[in-house]
Amino acid sequence: AQSVAQPEDQVNVAEGNPLTVKCTYSVSGNPYLFWYVQYPNRGLQFLLKYITGDNLVKGSYGFEAEFNKSQTSFHLKKPSALVSDSALYFCAVRDMGGGADGLTFGKGTHLIIQP
Amino acid sequence: GAGVSQSPSNKVTEKGKDVELRCDPISGHTALYWYRQRLGQGLEFLIYFQGNSAPDKSGLPSDRFSAERTGESVSTLTIQRTQQEDSAVYLCASSLGPSGSSDEQFFGPGTRLTVL
Repeated sequence: AQSVAQPEDQVNVAEGNPLTVKCTYSVSGNPYLFWYVQYPNRGLQFLLKYITGDNLVKGSYGFEAEFNKSQTSFHLKKPSALVSDSALYFCAVRDMGGGADGLTFGKGTHLIIQP
Repeated sequence: GAGVSQSPSNKVTEKGKDVELRCDPISGHTALYWYRQRLGQGLEFLIYFQGNSAPDKSGLPSDRFSAERTGESVSTLTIQRTQQEDSAVYLCASSLGPSGSSDEQFFGPGTRLTVL
């Protein structure tokens, strides 16, 4: 079975400060890992993914995420937060070796950037 | 089309009625997924279609839920005898490659279903 944990329901960051949204996962084999963002009344938008290779993955809107196999984590980061980054962020995983066809998502983290 | 589209965007129905939700995937995408998003929860996988293969129905919560897809085009999700606990946003996604690939899924805007 595969699972994702996003331990924080909400993260508050001042504009211009660095931000981190945490994600840990559990899979039987090796993971494909994804981050999606959901703005109010809009569908999920893909931000970035980890497949293999470099542990630091860069994505849209200046976001990046670091894959840490020993800690089974895939935290989302951005060096300098913008008010427009305020949204709901989802981490998702799929076992590279098989298992469920759908992605397994975390419960989401509300990111609030304060001006 | 430019993206995944879903209709209707909102649906209010009475308990016990049947509803049908529609999804148009991105042209050329072979894989199509349905998810359910309850308030304050993550996405819950419902069903997966890949080409003309038999769908993976392992996520459907009960036999009141069913879905169809014709080839690599439109899909419909049907919920029979709706219950209040079916109230949620139903999201459709498509991807270029099959579920076992690393291809990201592209999501539609969702259908918000409210069962009174």
